[in-house]
Amino acid sequence: DIVVTQSPDSLAVSLGERATINCKSSQSVLYSSNKKDYLAWYQQKPGQPPKLLIHWASTRQSGVPDRFTGSGSGTDFTLTISSLQAEDVAVYYCQHYYGTPYTFGQGTNLEIK
Amino acid sequence: EVQLVESGGGFVQSGGSLRLSCAASGFTFSSHWMHWVRQAPGKGLVWVSRMNSDGSTTEYADSVKGRFTISRDNAKNTLYLQMNSLRVEDTAVYYCVKMVYCSGDCYDRAFDYWGQGTLVTVSS
Repeated sequence: DIVVTQSPDSLAVSLGERATINCKSSQSVLYSSNKKDYLAWYQQKPGQPPKLLIHWASTRQSGVPDRFTGSGSGTDFTLTISSLQAEDVAVYYCQHYYGTPYTFGQGTNLEIK
Repeated sequence: EVQLVESGGGFVQSGGSLRLSCAASGFTFSSHWMHWVRQAPGKGLVWVSRMNSDGSTTEYADSVKGRFTISRDNAKNTLYLQMNSLRVEDTAVYYCVKMVYCSGDCYDRAFDYWGQGTLVTVSS
């Protein structure tokens, strides 16, 4: 199974500052036939289900603010929030969907400093 | 508007059974792969099972294989998860999840809609 590891486990960032979360997969999730990375990012606020932010490693889901950016390829990925807003406080998960079992990172708890 | 509404969770003793349901609306249910994902209290997300659009293909996490059965009724726009031989470690919120649409020879996409979840508590 592909293991997905996030860093850091928790992060405190000042309002308006940049937040960066990293995600590493134990094997490449880049599918050679279509050149797509099978990697997604989700945001989960307390008491709510996860919400899809980014798929194909860098494609923003419809309605997601452009301060959220996904980057990376192969085994190393990053979610960047360019200017942190109060409503961005949440746990963020990366997930691979390069075949089952799909696995998630352990989550990164993002707070306001 | 896409809606996924889970039901059927509750309190059960170890070794017992529960059947979860997920009523879907706002999209063409019969065209989409559907999944179940669970989250133990205070823990992370774990993929449980998936079924293709016509119900001919199913897959399970090793931790539930042989105990859980996913099924669907496209006429009723409903997804199910039959859970037998429940264990304490199955305690979690169970989410019904819609996979991003793909057609043809396509199996793997991200999850674009999640239900609110239903809590299953297994006691010893």
